[in-house]
Amino acid sequence: GENVEQHPSTLSVQEGDSAVIKCTYSDSASNYFPWYKQELGKRPQLIIDIRSNVGEKKDQRIAVTLNKTAKHFSLHITETQPEDSAVYFCAASPPYNQGGKLIFGQGTELSVKP
Amino acid sequence: GAVVSQHPSWVICKSGTSVKIECRSLDFQATTMFWYRQFPKQSLMLMATSNEGSKATYEQGVEKDKFLINHASLTLSTLTVTSAHPEDSSFYICSANREDRNSPLHFGNGTRLTVT
Repeated sequence: GENVEQHPSTLSVQEGDSAVIKCTYSDSASNYFPWYKQELGKRPQLIIDIRSNVGEKKDQRIAVTLNKTAKHFSLHITETQPEDSAVYFCAASPPYNQGGKLIFGQGTELSVKP
Repeated sequence: GAVVSQHPSWVICKSGTSVKIECRSLDFQATTMFWYRQFPKQSLMLMATSNEGSKATYEQGVEKDKFLINHASLTLSTLTVTSAHPEDSSFYICSANREDRNSPLHFGNGTRLTVT
């Protein structure tokens, strides 16, 4: 089955700097890759997603890139702010599911220092 | 606003008892819902896929007799943790998405289960 690896596990940046989180997946047929932000004790919140027919997607300070050949995708956060501090999860969706079955990466704890 | 409602948000139970968690899609029908479990400082692990009107599909390593899933209507799935033990203490989160396959997955608020 699908396996998703995420790095780094922790990331500390200064406010205003950029943060990059990387994920790799194993199933070349996976076709949907969302990123979630989770604050302590709360549910994951979708922040951006990308489908396999697109190489890059941007939403204000957040961008995601996908390299299907290499089977990896990355989250880029620019001009980081303290409120960006949270745990971020990448995920991949196998093609044979109903669109809701996600395999998650291990998570990255992002700390933005003011 | 929330489109997937989960109840209760937290529950404490004694070892050996059973606990039921409800997951509702609020303004859409969901023939399929998903149950995840998250231990502290760990990722979300898919436990099972809940299928309306049929048996749930469990992931490898998840005991179907311990984690009973019922999806009796198009808007409600329940997860019952039977004979709970302290090691079952975790954060349980359900999810669902609209029938439109391009719609994102919506998560419930999660249920913090503590077994004493």
